[in-house]
Amino acid sequence: AQTVTQSQPEMSVQEAETVTLSCTYDTSENNYYLFWYKQPPSRQMILVIRQEAYKQQNATENRFSVNFQKAAKSFSLKISDSQLGDTAMYFCAFMKGSGGSNYKLTFGKGTLLTVNP
Amino acid sequence: EAGVAQSPRYKIIEKRQSVAFWCNPISGHATLYWYQQILGQGPKLLIQFQNNGVVDDSQLPKDRFSAERLKGVDSTLKIQPAKLEDSAVYLCASSARLAGGEWRNFDEQFFGPGTRLTVL
Repeated sequence: AQTVTQSQPEMSVQEAETVTLSCTYDTSENNYYLFWYKQPPSRQMILVIRQEAYKQQNATENRFSVNFQKAAKSFSLKISDSQLGDTAMYFCAFMKGSGGSNYKLTFGKGTLLTVNP
Repeated sequence: EAGVAQSPRYKIIEKRQSVAFWCNPISGHATLYWYQQILGQGPKLLIQFQNNGVVDDSQLPKDRFSAERLKGVDSTLKIQPAKLEDSAVYLCASSARLAGGEWRNFDEQFFGPGTRLTVL
């Protein structure tokens, strides 16, 4: 079974600064996907960024980028130029890439990020 | 394109009562998921449907929870009877579209707004 660990329950950052959220995972799979999802207060979960394990290049989406270290099973999220709207719970998630039709997400417990003005 | 719809948004019931949640996925999506998110935790998969068949219900407490997706489109999740520990947000998600004879985009799940259940 896969496990996802987010060791930072809460973090805060000043507006316009950079923050990094940590995630580690455990799996025996070789083909998989990793995701960061954002869940703002009382709003729905949205995908921030995803990484395919077979790709060595780290994924980037505008101000969001990841540092994917496959050997270390580490998948951190860097948010540059933090904005007030980035305040949310951030979840790291894992999906097997070769599970037939089973595409379930396994989530970590989340990191609550607060961006301060 | 309309997103994943869920209703009701909030529900308060007493323990031992029954409750049902409804989900309408994004049009054309074959795969539908129900997740349970207890306060302070990440979502946990309860059940996954591919069209109207069950792919994974290994973590569904089948003595009290049931779910169906009869026509391969919308879905209902029922709890009967509810317990205090069922208080949570129930999230529905969908993914996977048929294109060119192949299922694509199975790796991107779109979530609904969730139903917050409080059991007293």
